[in-house]
Amino acid sequence: EDQVTQSPEALRLQEGESSSLNCSYTVSGLRGLFWYRQDPGKGPEFLFTLYSAGEEKEKERLKATLTKKESFLHITAPKPEDSATYLCAGTNYGGSQGNLIFGKGTKLSVKP
Amino acid sequence: EAQVTQNPRYLITVTGKKLTVTCSQNMNHEYMSWYRQDPGLGLRQIYYSMNVEVTDKGDVPEGYKVSRKEKRNFPLILESPSPNQTSLYFCASSLIGISGGYTFGSGTRLTVV
Repeated sequence: EDQVTQSPEALRLQEGESSSLNCSYTVSGLRGLFWYRQDPGKGPEFLFTLYSAGEEKEKERLKATLTKKESFLHITAPKPEDSATYLCAGTNYGGSQGNLIFGKGTKLSVKP
Repeated sequence: EAQVTQNPRYLITVTGKKLTVTCSQNMNHEYMSWYRQDPGLGLRQIYYSMNVEVTDKGDVPEGYKVSRKEKRNFPLILESPSPNQTSLYFCASSLIGISGGYTFGSGTRLTVV
């Protein structure tokens, strides 16, 4: 069964304390790995798409990487405004769209 | 502004009373989808649509209906809501192809009593 697992469930950091969130996947024929940010009471907001092992993408303090079995979201020197739930999702559809399989998310809290 | 608009944001209803949650996007996206989000279960897909008049079941379609008569609209219909359909619902849209990710609406919090 295709599955996406995120760890830890929750992460508390001090402002400036860098860390990583993990996303492991068992999606057969993975064609894309997505990261989203979700603030309380709002819809997920798209961050990155990664397609192949070794690929990296960056946006401000966030950097996403992909290996053959997992993806990491590295947060460098986080600020309180980075507090949110981060969702990882995988798909095995290529040219056509299909179901994104979501992990349950990592809730990040950054204290000043 | 490019967006996905859902209505209503909050809804409390009684068991068995038919309801419709509307979803509209202004980005000319071919693909639209409905998800529900529950504590401990994450986001699960209900239905999706690749284009007008083309819809298909996701992982949890039981008790729901959808229609795609126009490209911009994708309403979610609960013919006879039950308490186990109490959840936070999200509509999402995207261009065909996986590169850009989904644009999600702000959500509809539904309570069925």
